[in-house]
Amino acid sequence: DAKTTQPPSMDCAEGRAANLPCNHSTISGNEYVYWYRQIHSQGPQYIIHGLKNNETNEMASLIITEDRKSSTLILPHATLRDTAVYYCIVRAGTGTASKLTFGTGTRLQVTL
Amino acid sequence: NAGVTQTPKFQVLKTGQSMTLQCAQDMNHEYMSWYRQDPGMGLRLIHYSVGAGITDQGEVPNGYNVSRSTTEDFPLRLLSAAPSQTSVYFCASSYLGQGNTEAFFGQGTRLTVV
Repeated sequence: DAKTTQPPSMDCAEGRAANLPCNHSTISGNEYVYWYRQIHSQGPQYIIHGLKNNETNEMASLIITEDRKSSTLILPHATLRDTAVYYCIVRAGTGTASKLTFGTGTRLQVTL
Repeated sequence: NAGVTQTPKFQVLKTGQSMTLQCAQDMNHEYMSWYRQDPGMGLRLIHYSVGAGITDQGEVPNGYNVSRSTTEDFPLRLLSAAPSQTSVYFCASSYLGQGNTEAFFGQGTRLTVV
């Protein structure tokens, strides 16, 4: 699986958009970009994933660059409950074992 | 809808003791896995299974055994606990297949080996 690079920490004011970047310059054609978050040592929670196109769901938006070497997770209106560690994971979907390789993620602190 | 259930939530062991961490899921997922998370670090894969009767090693398998006799259950065994195994353990499950497989995680077991 391709490696990812994320900033160790970010701050965001409540109500503002949080934009979390991820570099995955060695991503290959069949690899998806996944985002998970972990709130205060709970089990990680799936947020969103994508292959080429931008994606949006009720939690967030995922913007993937055209060359697929980087992506940005957008939380449009961050709240205090969004304070968590956010993991960007590139996962090879081969149809067999689906294994997630976690890095150290980005610790997002949402403040008043 | 229970999802992924891990027991116990907390456990303290003495060095050399054995124990089994339990993991059960009710979503009929083929794929199950165990991770450990040490302070300030991301999760690391210990063992995984793609179905009943099939298991394989992950990144950090030493000191742990697993088995998968049913689709629902995937217990993790520590045969002789060591202080280095002090960690938080997470179980996860998902469907197999290309791309669109969201992993569901349990709430973790916090293990301390003294």
